[in-house]
Amino acid sequence: DGGITQSPKYLFRKEGQNVTLSCEQNLNHDAMYWYRQDPGQGLRLIYYSQIVNDFQKGDIAEGYSVSREKKESFPLTVTSAQKNPTAFYLCASSMGQGAAYGYTFGSGTRLTVV
Amino acid sequence: KQEVTQIPAALSVPEGENLVLNCSFTDSAIYNLQWFRQDPGKGLTSLLLIQSSQREQTSGRLNASLDKSSGRSTLYIAASQPGDSATYLCAVRGGRSGGSNYKLTFGKGTLLTVNP
Repeated sequence: DGGITQSPKYLFRKEGQNVTLSCEQNLNHDAMYWYRQDPGQGLRLIYYSQIVNDFQKGDIAEGYSVSREKKESFPLTVTSAQKNPTAFYLCASSMGQGAAYGYTFGSGTRLTVV
Repeated sequence: KQEVTQIPAALSVPEGENLVLNCSFTDSAIYNLQWFRQDPGKGLTSLLLIQSSQREQTSGRLNASLDKSSGRSTLYIAASQPGDSATYLCAVRGGRSGGSNYKLTFGKGTLLTVNP
């Protein structure tokens, strides 16, 4: 079955560490996205990529970095510059820009700073 | 800047009741609107997508409507069941702000509890 795989499901980060969250899709979708979810704040866009080797900052990109070397993969690195990284991270993809295309989401990674 | 509001924030109903969840958005220049369901600690499951040119979509016991000019959408759930208990999220794609062609803007959700 086609879908989005996020790993790991749970991740613990020590202060000052960089960690990378994995997102892989086999839907042949062009666009991929990273969202952060915090209680009471809803989902906020971190980064998005419309095509391979191109990505754009979202609303809360500071302290995060991404790469898009393959169509199927869009990993997110949470750097030590992100002051409050504890959150639920969701990866999504969509076929393209048309109105008929919706988003498909992965099952998420919960990141906790210890 | 596109803003999405969902009312009510929480709703508790007895099993079998029909119910309506509301969503409003500030910028009517949208491509589409999507309703999602989220169970605790899980990802988002897409329920219905309504394109900007459409008025409603139906899937089983779910019916979503869209009034783009007034910036409103409703999700109607018929004959609710305990398994419908979850958080329901409304999201719109598009708006007049830069880079919005791809971006989904979410409401904060409605937490639905269906009691047996």
